Amino acid sequence: DTAVSQTPKYLVTQMGNDKSIKCEQNLGHDTMYWYKQDSKKFLKIMFSYNNKELIINETVPNRFSPKSPDKAHLNLHINSLELGDSAVYFCASSQPTYENTEAFFGQGTRLTVV
Amino acid sequence: RKEVEQDPGPFNVPEGATVAFNCTYSNSASQSFFWYRQDCRKEPKLLMSVYSSGNEDGRFTAQLNRASQYISLLIRDSKLSDSATYLCVVFYNQGGKLIFGQGTELSVKP
Repeated sequence: DTAVSQTPKYLVTQMGNDKSIKCEQNLGHDTMYWYKQDSKKFLKIMFSYNNKELIINETVPNRFSPKSPDKAHLNLHINSLELGDSAVYFCASSQPTYENTEAFFGQGTRLTVV
Repeated sequence: RKEVEQDPGPFNVPEGATVAFNCTYSNSASQSFFWYRQDCRKEPKLLMSVYSSGNEDGRFTAQLNRASQYISLLIRDSKLSDSATYLCVVFYNQGGKLIFGQGTELSVKP
């Protein structure tokens, strides 16, 4: 059973299009994240949700809109895609406690904007 | 200044070598600390947590110095399979942020 699953794994699209990436976790975690990993391989946090509520929004253009219909899902919708949006997007989940804050990652969505 | 900074890579070492990675973090309110490993074109996975007293897991030893805001990872007797990018990670309880360093690439050669 995959703990954190993202779809699609690959996404190639033209500039200006709107696309969505879906993420689901079956770990029962309260916290979910979206990260962007660019060509320099730096993993930058974009959003964090706790129990369906947005708790972190890191200076991400408002073309990016996360949606959490329930605590097991955190989807990412991107409007008016730009070339600079090309990256690998990782979804993750965790259940932060004092002893353990391990995050489990999905396999990533490789987005290419042409 | 980045919130979490790591040694620039890549580190190219022969099999059997000992290699050390360093990491500094800027926010003294940081709660928890980790090393993650990321293989090429794969997702990051937890390697080990880092505790104030230092901790060891086989060939891997992690150290934390809260006063200096410094974290380290030591790999002894490097194996070819250790080749990967090692990510220093800091968790801030306030806001629940899990912040990654830029990663250090390790390549172990025969």
